[in-house]
Amino acid sequence: GQQLNQSPQSMFIQEGEDVSMNCTSSSIFNTWLWYKQDPGEGPVLLIALYKAGELTSNGRLTAQFGITRKDSFLNISASIPSDVGIYFCAGYPVGGSNYKLTFGKGTLLTVNP
Amino acid sequence: GAVVSQHPSRVICKSGTSVKIECRSLDFQATTMFWYRQFPKQSLMLMATSNEGSKATYEQGVEKDKFLINHASLTLSTLTVTSAHPEDSSFYICSASPTITEAFFGQGTRLTVV
Repeated sequence: GQQLNQSPQSMFIQEGEDVSMNCTSSSIFNTWLWYKQDPGEGPVLLIALYKAGELTSNGRLTAQFGITRKDSFLNISASIPSDVGIYFCAGYPVGGSNYKLTFGKGTLLTVNP
Repeated sequence: GAVVSQHPSRVICKSGTSVKIECRSLDFQATTMFWYRQFPKQSLMLMATSNEGSKATYEQGVEKDKFLINHASLTLSTLTVTSAHPEDSSFYICSASPTITEAFFGQGTRLTVV
């Protein structure tokens, strides 16, 4: 099935640094969702975006719905060790099946204290 | 956000036996739930869509007789891995959506078949 192009695949950063990751698609999306998954757990919803150009924050996290509706990015500011995990972008493509999400392959974030 | 509870979180079973995994939406009703499988260091792979009151819809390549899905109520879907074999060992995750604009996931179930 369709997949989102998520990059980078992995990141190694120092505590305190800012992080940016993004997702792109050849198709138009009407919703973008960003999740974090800790080892052995299910994904947890971080931010949901519903309109082109929308910029939404959740604490140190900020995400934007791209103007073209084909991309989204997630920024994490002043990273801390507990930010470690896998971050997934996901979305509902226009014309896709109801409720059926399309996922990126994930960004593995490692934060060195 | 909405709460989706999955049980058990870990299960070990013998080869040839069946295992049932439950997925509950605790604070909303869900006519549709989804079951995913996740291999190490990979993204979630959709296995099937669970539909309340009707048959599940399986993704291409997923054996419906191996992975039985029952969605008997608006808050409960179950996935039964029948005649489990070591290659069925994996991390299984369910999700449900209170609206068409977001999805919430269960905690996942680590299945180990020995």
